[in-house]
Parts: sequence; C-alpha cells; structure tokens
Amino acid sequence: EADIYQTPRYLVIGTGKKITLECSQTMGHDKMYWYQQDPGMELHLIHYSYGVNSTEKGDLSSESTVSRIRTEHFPLTLESARPSHTSQYLCASKGQANGSPLHFGNGTRLTVT
Amino acid sequence: GENVEQHPSTLSVQEGDSAVIKCTYSDSASNYFPWYKQELGKRPQLIIDIRSNVGEKKDQRIAVTLNKTAKHFSLHITETQPEDSAVYFCAASNLLSGTYKYIFGTGTRLKVLA
Repeated sequence: EADIYQTPRYLVIGTGKKITLECSQTMGHDKMYWYQQDPGMELHLIHYSYGVNSTEKGDLSSESTVSRIRTEHFPLTLESARPSHTSQYLCASKGQANGSPLHFGNGTRLTVT
Repeated sequence: GENVEQHPSTLSVQEGDSAVIKCTYSDSASNYFPWYKQELGKRPQLIIDIRSNVGEKKDQRIAVTLNKTAKHFSLHITETQPEDSAVYFCAASNLLSGTYKYIFGTGTRLKVLA
C-alpha cells in the first residue's frame, strides 16, 4: 500500500547525541517536507525539497539538516541533540498534480534528556 | 512574511450543533486552501480543500467557504458528532509559485460534547 513511513516512532536520547530521523514514501512524490509540531499545536516547516538534490530551509530556524539523494527518501539529521529539540517531527510528501494534498507520516516523537 | 491566522483556538459544541472555524491569510497570491484534521496521537489528514476560483465547497456535513476579497476562509461542520473532536488546521498555498509551501494556521481544538 502506498504510504509515507517514518522511523523511529519514538526516540529518547541524551544531550549531544547525533540522530537521524528517517522518512520514506512509496508514492513517487517529488515534493517532501519536514514539520516540527508540539502535540496538538502549530505545525512549523523546518525543511522541504522539490526533488532529488534539492533542499530548502523552512520558516522555523532549525539546527537540523536534510538530504535528498533518492526520490523516496528524505532523512532529517540533528548533529547534536538538545532538550529544546524535544518535539514531534512530521514528514510529508506531495505529488506533482497541482491540487494533490500533503500526505503526512505518523511522526517521530523525540525526547532529548 | 506570509501567515495564516486561525480562530478560535478552542471550541466546544454540543453534539448535533454546528461548528465554524475561521482563517485569514496574508498572501493575496494564495490560491489553494486545504483543511486538515488531526486526532489525538495521529497524523494530520486532509478533510476538504478549496481553490480560489470557487466560493464554496461541500462534502456531506463539512463545507468550506472562501472570500477572496477579505482573504478569509472558513470550515463549517454541521450536525457535529463526538468523532469530530480533534484539532483542525487550515492552510494556504500558492500552487503557481513553484515553491509548494503550505502555511498552516495555529490550529483549533474542537470538542464535541455528548
């Protein structure tokens, strides 16, 4: 079944650790996005990509980086995690058709201790 | 910069009553306005959307209206049911800009009281 997958679902790590949040979609979508969201609160765009080898920073200043080497894969990396990074991270993708909606993954809930 | 204001932040209604959530956008070039529903612990899911060439769109108990002049759009839910309880997000986008960025509102937590 075509979908967008995020791993891990939950992650608890210590301050200073490097982590990568994985996001993959099987729909062949060219546009992919990362949002940061505290539970039930506002969605903040932190990175997006139009396609392979294209990445852009979003509206929320973030200490994370992304890469887009393959169409289906859009990982998010935090080089040195801090307690302020504790949040939920939602990955989304969108197809080429103008009216096609954003599809969201189930999210990764990150806790930095 | 571009932004979308959403009101109210919380809304409680009795089961069977109507609920209305309002959004105002700043970028006059926005031409696509989706609404997402996010249940507790789940991902946001599209429930209805509208383009700028249409003033109103309806899907069963859900409708969206758009006033381009005032840069307002609203979500209307009629005959509310407990399963409508969730956080609702509006968004605005310019499909012609090439950026395909969605600017989301701050969310409305809807509680339907049985």
